[in-house]
Amino acid sequence: SQKIEQNSEALNIQEGKTATLTCNYTNYSPAYLQWYRQDPGRGPVFLLLIRENEKEKRKERLKVTFDTTLKQSLFHITASQPADSATYLCALEIRSGAGSYQLTFGKGTKLSVIP
Amino acid sequence: KAGVTQTPRYLIKTRGQQVTLSCSPISGHRSVSWYQQTPGQGLQFLFEYFSETQRNKGNFPGRFSGRQFSNSRSEMNVSTLELGDSALYLCASSLYGDYNEQFFGPGTRLTVL
Repeated sequence: SQKIEQNSEALNIQEGKTATLTCNYTNYSPAYLQWYRQDPGRGPVFLLLIRENEKEKRKERLKVTFDTTLKQSLFHITASQPADSATYLCALEIRSGAGSYQLTFGKGTKLSVIP
Repeated sequence: KAGVTQTPRYLIKTRGQQVTLSCSPISGHRSVSWYQQTPGQGLQFLFEYFSETQRNKGNFPGRFSGRQFSNSRSEMNVSTLELGDSALYLCASSLYGDYNEQFFGPGTRLTVL
């Protein structure tokens, strides 16, 4: 069965440093992968989508890479700020037939940026 | 543009009861997905609806069901509640589903006693 793993449950980092979060998956070849941010008591908020034919995508201080050979995505936050503290979720699409899909989420990495 | 709304926000039920949760997607969005979130299992996919049709269903028992109306609003129902059904239930809408970002609502916190 498909499995998606975010290798750290929690990550502490000093303000101003680059945070790097990892998402690994097995037994599947997704057409794309998404990253979301979730704050306590709230629903996840979409950050970035990267397709299988894209190696890297950037948005302001965020960067996502997608290595389909390693079956891994890396999510970077440069110049991290305390406001970046949240849980970050990766999600990949599972296709189960024509026009049918579902997003499978990792359990998330809780990032804490220390001032 | 108004975001995704979910009602009620909090709910307390007892074992054996049933519950109906409601989700209003962003205007113009035709795809609605439901997820269950627990500390142990994380976010798990329940089902996805598009234009009133269930396109996909996750690995949950038949006690979990849903539907979508012609205005894209969606409901999910859980019958014969069990203690393990206590969770945050999240609804997400997107334009067409696939390849689109999902916009999540704030969730309904269900507690089963």
